[in-house]
Amino acid sequence: QKEVEQNSGPLSVPEGAIASLNCTYSDRGSQSFFWYRQYSGKSPELIMSIYSNGDKEDGRFTAQLNKASQYVSLLIRDSQPSDSATYLCAVKRGYGRSSYKLIFGSGTRLLVRP
Amino acid sequence: NAGVTQTPKFQVLKTGQSMTLQCAQDMNHNSMYWYRQDPGMGLRLIYYSASEGTTDKGEVPNGYNVSRLNKREFSLRLESAAPSQTSVYFCASSDNNEQFFGPGTRLTVL
Repeated sequence: QKEVEQNSGPLSVPEGAIASLNCTYSDRGSQSFFWYRQYSGKSPELIMSIYSNGDKEDGRFTAQLNKASQYVSLLIRDSQPSDSATYLCAVKRGYGRSSYKLIFGSGTRLLVRP
Repeated sequence: NAGVTQTPKFQVLKTGQSMTLQCAQDMNHNSMYWYRQDPGMGLRLIYYSASEGTTDKGEVPNGYNVSRLNKREFSLRLESAAPSQTSVYFCASSDNNEQFFGPGTRLTVL
């Protein structure tokens, strides 16, 4: 079992719909979770971080965390064609006071149809 | 600020050749990382450096070496390239909350 699992997709939604991206993780002790967006041929960029159970909203993006179920999701409301990208889920592993590493899922490709 | 820069952007090598990928950051971050990204595999950590003068193996270190030259620079060396090392390589640096990625190097080993 991979430490961080995502459905590879593609997830296809019409413009204006809600896109729901899901991620599960295996280490029950994980505390910090991140969503990165990666356009084709580009580097990943951070769009959301979440540390507590529940929802965290930022504009059209909402991250949801359920530690009991070891489940993280990202909702994108009013999806736009410009949201078409691969979304990477990442879980933080600390190894010192000021350093850590991220364990990434393989990513879900989102396609928003005009 | 340039953020994280990587050179070269593209490289083609023959099996057995060596090369060094360069990475530099101007954000005064302590930690730096090297990842490779292959189709369907996500980002896999090759090596990381928690601070100047320290380096540690990640998930897939075989066939690679690294040098943390100073706080700004973290290089990745392939001593004898193999076709299995064909990939896109990303360097990243971090503060406590976020990793910032460089633009990547697309490496092909023939």
